[in-house]
Amino acid sequence: SQTIHQWPATLVQPVGSPLSLECTVEGTSNPNLYWYRQAAGRGLQLLFYSVGIGQISSEVPQNLSASRPQDRQFILSSKKLLLSDSGFYLCAYQPALLRETQYFGPGTRLLVL
Amino acid sequence: AQSVTQLGSHVSVSEGALVLLRCNYSSSVPPYLFWYVQYPNQGLQLLLKYTTGATLVKGINGFEAEFKKSETSFHLTKPSAHMSDAAEYFCAFSGSARQLTFGSGTQLTVLP
Repeated sequence: SQTIHQWPATLVQPVGSPLSLECTVEGTSNPNLYWYRQAAGRGLQLLFYSVGIGQISSEVPQNLSASRPQDRQFILSSKKLLLSDSGFYLCAYQPALLRETQYFGPGTRLLVL
Repeated sequence: AQSVTQLGSHVSVSEGALVLLRCNYSSSVPPYLFWYVQYPNQGLQLLLKYTTGATLVKGINGFEAEFKKSETSFHLTKPSAHMSDAAEYFCAFSGSARQLTFGSGTQLTVLP
């Protein structure tokens, strides 16, 4: 069966510190991968998506970046966090055989102080 | 441009009453339509989806939705609300099958 993992589940970081959030998918090959952010009281904002290793598309210019070093691994990074980076970060995948449907991970709650 | 509109950011129903969450979309291409549910501090869980075929779609937890092309709607219903249905619900649209456009969400409260 297919599963998606995110870690850490919760993170508290000071302003200006670096960030690394990880997402991994099991049980499927060549998935499309997505990073979303959900700020408090707001909807979902697509940050990045990837259709293959090393292929990253950015939807919103910001101080975040994404990388896909392996087929089923997606990493969200920042060199220096801002207060506005606080939020709930969700990773999602689209299986190769069901390209129309996205499945979401459990999320990472990030609080920047 | 494609868009999704969820009418009502907050909906309250009594336990046992009908749940109706409204979703309208705007698109120039045939849509794929989805409903997701999010419980506090959790990810989004797929409730149901419409891609092609039957316009009445049944999902998990007793929910269903009907795709009405003439009304550009995909409203979510459940005949009898349970306390466990209290959550935030998101309608989503895809025209390209690669990216989803989400509505702003509807917070469902179930009153005892």
